[in-house]
Amino acid sequence: GAVVSQHPSRVICKSGTSVKIECRSLDFQATTMFWYRQFPKKSLMLMATSNEGSKATYEQGVEKDKFLINHASLTLSTLTVTSAHPEDSSFYICSAKGGSNQPQHFGDGTRLSIL
Amino acid sequence: KNEVEQSPQNLTAQEGEFITINCSYSVGISALHWLQQHPGGGIVSLFMLSSGKKKHGRLIATINIQEKHSSLHITASHPRDSAVYICAVRSSYGGSQGNLIFGKGTKLSVKP
Repeated sequence: GAVVSQHPSRVICKSGTSVKIECRSLDFQATTMFWYRQFPKKSLMLMATSNEGSKATYEQGVEKDKFLINHASLTLSTLTVTSAHPEDSSFYICSAKGGSNQPQHFGDGTRLSIL
Repeated sequence: KNEVEQSPQNLTAQEGEFITINCSYSVGISALHWLQQHPGGGIVSLFMLSSGKKKHGRLIATINIQEKHSSLHITASHPRDSAVYICAVRSSYGGSQGNLIFGKGTKLSVKP
């Protein structure tokens, strides 16, 4: 079946550095990709929605200059956390869907820890 | 009040038991998803349904559109079924690209 690959699965870095997370759809073309953030014991919170070739749509309260999203191809989207701070530490999950009536598939997530 | 409510929040069962997790929602939807989140965080999509009933192995999902309610059933539960099960609905107001609205999840622990 369809698979979404997210990389890296875990990253630990120092405050002030930038971190890039990749999300790839492996056997389908993802017209839409979603980035979520999940706090401990909380439900997934949508950060932004991106359609291939256009700018991402960010949810209210999400800083677009802080969380840069690029959806350059139908199989790849990236989330870059710029100048990361400890409060950015969280679990980030990407998701992708191929078309309007297609199911949404999820990556395995990236656990980000900022020291 | 959350738009998607799940019950129970936590569930402990003995291996072999029949398990039911419930999901109620308050918005018009175009589809409902049942997701399984493993302890490591990875999420697997179990079902997407908009009416009736679907079955996959030991898992059964039902939805009643009129009552705005869905259930996920696990027959002959096994310790490997231990995970967080999340109900998510796609609002019909957002069109076909409408965002998913997530429940808070049900943490299931199946004891051997």
